[in-house]
Amino acid sequence: ETGVTQTPRHLVMGMTNKKSLKCEQHLGHNAMYWYKQSAKKPLELMFVYSLEERVENNSVPSRFSPECPNSSHLFLHLHTLQPEDSALYLCASSSSGGNNEQFFGPGTRLTVL
Amino acid sequence: GEDVEQSLFLSVREGDSSVINCTYTDSSSTYLYWYKQEPGAGLQLLTYIFSNMDMKQDQRLTVLLNKKDKHLSLRIADTQTGDSAIYFCAESRVRGAGNMLTFGGGTRLMVKP
Repeated sequence: ETGVTQTPRHLVMGMTNKKSLKCEQHLGHNAMYWYKQSAKKPLELMFVYSLEERVENNSVPSRFSPECPNSSHLFLHLHTLQPEDSALYLCASSSSGGNNEQFFGPGTRLTVL
Repeated sequence: GEDVEQSLFLSVREGDSSVINCTYTDSSSTYLYWYKQEPGAGLQLLTYIFSNMDMKQDQRLTVLLNKKDKHLSLRIADTQTGDSAIYFCAESRVRGAGNMLTFGGGTRLMVKP
């Protein structure tokens, strides 16, 4: 399998549930990103991992917890979410050289009831 | 500060040219990108331009950059119905091994037959 994959593609959860989003890249990149895309706001950068270390956290609430166990995998652990967290969550990866183009996964459509 | 702005909507007839405009504020941007997002999909990189270039052409796509005015445009020649999508411009700054992108709100292009 090639490119950036995300699972699940769709997720519906209650406010008290705990779930995790998974992202996997097969491009040999060393940086990975989580974005949130909602109807109200343009793409918002949430987290950046470079060489498996978090380098950016744009004031994201603690109910979102990222994990990057290796350069190919990125998780977003979710707990006690709010309905306003319903959005499309996009994962991306890039290398550190060249134009640093980010390759995006198809996203996970999250609905919080 | 970082701010990228685009018009929300553009409607053209099939065969016409489309021009999507974008303004940005960060003069230290290294690369500027155009991404395309089709319904239910993630973002796909269309083209990019390095900040020291004025123009880049790639088949039906022409990118113009006015660095003085911080204005970026994407021209699609001979627009087809398959070009209907949301187009995002983004500016980037490299921080460590991560490439931080700031996205505009997206322009929805509708192509009428």
